[in-house]
Amino acid sequence: EVQLVESGGGLVQPGRSLKLSCAASGFTFSNYYMAWVRQAPKKGLEWVATISTSGSRTYYPDSVKGRFTISRDNAKSSLYLQMNSLKSEDTATYYCARRRPGYNLFDYWGQGVMVTVSS
Amino acid sequence: IQLTQSPSLLSASVGDRVTLSCKGSQNINNYLAWYQQKLGEAPKLLIYNTNSLQTGIPSRFSGSGSGTDYTLTISSLQPEDVATYFCYQYNNGWTFGGGTKLELK
Repeated sequence: EVQLVESGGGLVQPGRSLKLSCAASGFTFSNYYMAWVRQAPKKGLEWVATISTSGSRTYYPDSVKGRFTISRDNAKSSLYLQMNSLKSEDTATYYCARRRPGYNLFDYWGQGVMVTVSS
Repeated sequence: IQLTQSPSLLSASVGDRVTLSCKGSQNINNYLAWYQQKLGEAPKLLIYNTNSLQTGIPSRFSGSGSGTDYTLTISSLQPEDVATYFCYQYNNGWTFGGGTKLELK
């Protein structure tokens, strides 16, 4: 069974940093692109970052480019999101998601972790 | 590409045939998926490539469309289908629609 379990969320002040983690199991992690998707309270979904199988390629929307960094450790089957210079508009539930091979869509998601940016 | 879903709120009765709409600002070339999100849960993939049913999803769910206009149909609404449904395009970038909240009448 595919499982994705996020951790590392919490309350953080504007301008500070936070690092999220995602522990994957039930599939060969190193064979899959992985991503982070977020959902602001009572809002829609927004793709945040994607990383290739080896970690050599990463992709971001303009809203987080230069502030967020996605990375992975295939030996630990773990995905990470380093978030710097956080803003109030980054407040959201962050989901770790697996990308379906050959498609730019996400077939399994974690339960999500809440990040609140507030002073 | 911007995605506009309608209606934003839909009330229907058990057994009803339900149709949800998703319209793109440009041609999506059938790279359109649908997700179901129940309250407090992660999104679940229902349909991909416009009309391909994800493994394990009941056959009462179906998708159709082309160009800029796409539809998710539930042939006979069940109580467990109460959720918010998001469309998602992966033809040019990766964007989600604003969602349609489906409730029981």
